[in-house]
Amino acid sequence: AQRVTQPEKLLSVFKGAPVELKCNYSYSGSPELFWYVQYSRQRLQLLLRHISRESIKGFTADLNKGETSFHLKKPFAQEEDSAMYYCALSRSSGSARQLTFGSGTQLTVLP
Amino acid sequence: DAGITQSPRHKVTETGTPVTLRCHQTENHRYMYWYRQDPGHGLRLIHYSYGVKDTDKGEVSDGYSVSRSKTEDFLLTLESATSSQTSVYFCAIRHPWDNYGYTFGSGTRLTVV
Repeated sequence: AQRVTQPEKLLSVFKGAPVELKCNYSYSGSPELFWYVQYSRQRLQLLLRHISRESIKGFTADLNKGETSFHLKKPFAQEEDSAMYYCALSRSSGSARQLTFGSGTQLTVLP
Repeated sequence: DAGITQSPRHKVTETGTPVTLRCHQTENHRYMYWYRQDPGHGLRLIHYSYGVKDTDKGEVSDGYSVSRSKTEDFLLTLESATSSQTSVYFCAIRHPWDNYGYTFGSGTRLTVV
C-alpha cells in the first residue's frame, strides 16, 4: 500500500535560516511526488512537482529513490513562508489517478 | 478565480441530519475529487468522479455518498451527519492536459453538533 509520511507536525525556524521539511514515501510503483502549500485559511496550491525539477519561491525538492524521500528545502526562510505544507504522491487506482497526502507540516518562520 | 467553487463555505448542522455540499467547476474537466482535511491526518480522499454518473470510493467513504449528474457539479452528501464528520471538506479538479495538476476549491467548514 502507498503511504506518505511527514514526521514533523510543527517546525519553527528563524527568518534567514535554512529550512527542510521531510517527506518519506512507500510505493511499489514509480512515484510521482508533489509538494502542496496552504496559507492560512486559503485553498491548497501546488508548490512543485518532482518531474519538473523546478524551484518555486526558492524551494526545491529532490526525489531520492534509494531513501524513498522527497524533502522540501529552502536555503533562507522568509516570514511569508509560514504555512502548512503537504507532501503528496500520485498513483493510478481504478479509473483515475489519485493523490495520497501526508499529514502535513506546519511551518512557522519567526522574525 | 481558480474555476472551482464550493458551497456553502461554512455550515453548522445537527447530528442525524442529512447535509449536501456542492462543488461547481467552470472548466469542463472530467475528474473531480472530494477530500476531508483533519489535523494529524492531512487530506483523505472520500469519493471521486471520472465523468457524469461515474463515481468511485476513496479511502474514507463510509457515511458519504456523491452524485454527478452534470459535468460541472459534484455533490457530496452526508446521509446522517455525525460529530466525527466535523471537518473541512475540499473539492478538487484535475486538469487533463496536465496529468498531475490539481486545483482545489476554498473548502467548506462543516461542524456537526
